[in-house]
Amino acid sequence: NAGVTQTPKFQVLKTGQSMTLQCAQDMNHNSMYWYRQDPGMGLRLIYYSASEGTTDKGEVPNGYNVSRLNKREFSLRLESAAPSQTSVYFCASSESQGDTEAFFGQGTRLTVV
Amino acid sequence: LAKTTQPISMDSYEGQEVNITCSHNNIATNDYITWYQQFPSQGPRFIIQGYKTKVTNEVASLFIPADRKSSTLSLPRVSLSDTAVYYCLARASGGSYIPTFGRGTSLIVHP
Repeated sequence: NAGVTQTPKFQVLKTGQSMTLQCAQDMNHNSMYWYRQDPGMGLRLIYYSASEGTTDKGEVPNGYNVSRLNKREFSLRLESAAPSQTSVYFCASSESQGDTEAFFGQGTRLTVV
Repeated sequence: LAKTTQPISMDSYEGQEVNITCSHNNIATNDYITWYQQFPSQGPRFIIQGYKTKVTNEVASLFIPADRKSSTLSLPRVSLSDTAVYYCLARASGGSYIPTFGRGTSLIVHP
């Protein structure tokens, strides 16, 4: 049982490059989330998708776009990477938006130079 | 959504019981208290949830007093593998809820 799978696990980008972080869950969950975590900080919500076909901004959406491709997949795109976007990115899912338990992926460590 | 406050860091030794207290003075009547654990280089994982009194599972116990203005996560006889960051979250039952994480408590267990 894979749970939440994120790819890639590590990535180095040059300033101005673009890339897409992929996330897929196999638990038939309705809600999915993208967070970023910086050293010594908690997780900050970037975007979330309460259900297939909907996406909403979180606390720190600037510089990011998302796509809820289908019920399983929720991708995060950096159109023009900046050093300030160097972070660890976590994808999570939950059965519904009101559900207690969120399941997290292993994270993507992104460095922008 | 209730704001939670917890210590930034704690130290313990193997075999000791560790209690991490979380304050949530403005908790709403329908808020639950949820705790997550995050090991280095991993995503957080849910460990326990409670509404009032005491909840126990194979990982931890959660104590919530009658006034619900605080809660205590108790880890019995910690080992080195319990070194992690522990997050306390308050969530409203039903409706729109998005897990919101503060800085958590960094627990270091020493040999």
